[in-house]
Amino acid sequence: AQSVTQPDIHITVSEGASLELRCNYSYGATPYLFWYVQSPGQGLQLLLKYFSGDTLVQGIKGFEAEFKRSQSSFNLRKPSVHWSDAAEYFCAGANDYKLSFGAGTTVTVRA
Amino acid sequence: KAGVTQTPRYLIKTRGQQVTLSCSPISGHRSVSWYQQTPGQGLQFLFEYFSETQRNKGNFPGRFSGRQFSNSRSEMNVSTLELGDSALYLCASSPPLRNTEAFFGQGTRLTVV
Repeated sequence: AQSVTQPDIHITVSEGASLELRCNYSYGATPYLFWYVQSPGQGLQLLLKYFSGDTLVQGIKGFEAEFKRSQSSFNLRKPSVHWSDAAEYFCAGANDYKLSFGAGTTVTVRA
Repeated sequence: KAGVTQTPRYLIKTRGQQVTLSCSPISGHRSVSWYQQTPGQGLQFLFEYFSETQRNKGNFPGRFSGRQFSNSRSEMNVSTLELGDSALYLCASSPPLRNTEAFFGQGTRLTVV
């Protein structure tokens, strides 16, 4: 079955430190992959997307993600975290007009 | 451009009742999909509509249904509510391309008591 997996349930990072969230996918030849962020009680906001081409994609809020076919990964990174980045992050893959989401990674930012 | 609008934002219903949730997509988007989010099951796909036709459906009982109108607005209905239906219901709209990104509304928080 086509799916995405987020191995980390919760990550704590210090403000100003770098952040990397892991996502592994199980999709066919051309995966359509996304990262979303959700603040408490809110909807999902699209951070970035990968369809094809350049394996390093830039998103909003200073986030980037790297697609690695050899590792079936699509990890999200941010060089310097701000307190406002505390939220839940979801990796998702698209197929047949639907998104399949990972379980999410909750990011806590400590001062 | 206005985003995806979901109404109402909050609902409290009693077991056995039915509920209808509404979603207005981004202007120009003809694809609307629905997701259920719960702490235990995470984000699960309910169904997707395009031009008033359901193109895909998730693994939910028949109590969950939806429809789309000619102006692309969509509604979902849950009949005979159960306690387990308490969740955040998210609607998303997408441009008319296969497997493109989805833009989400703020969600409707349904509580069944």
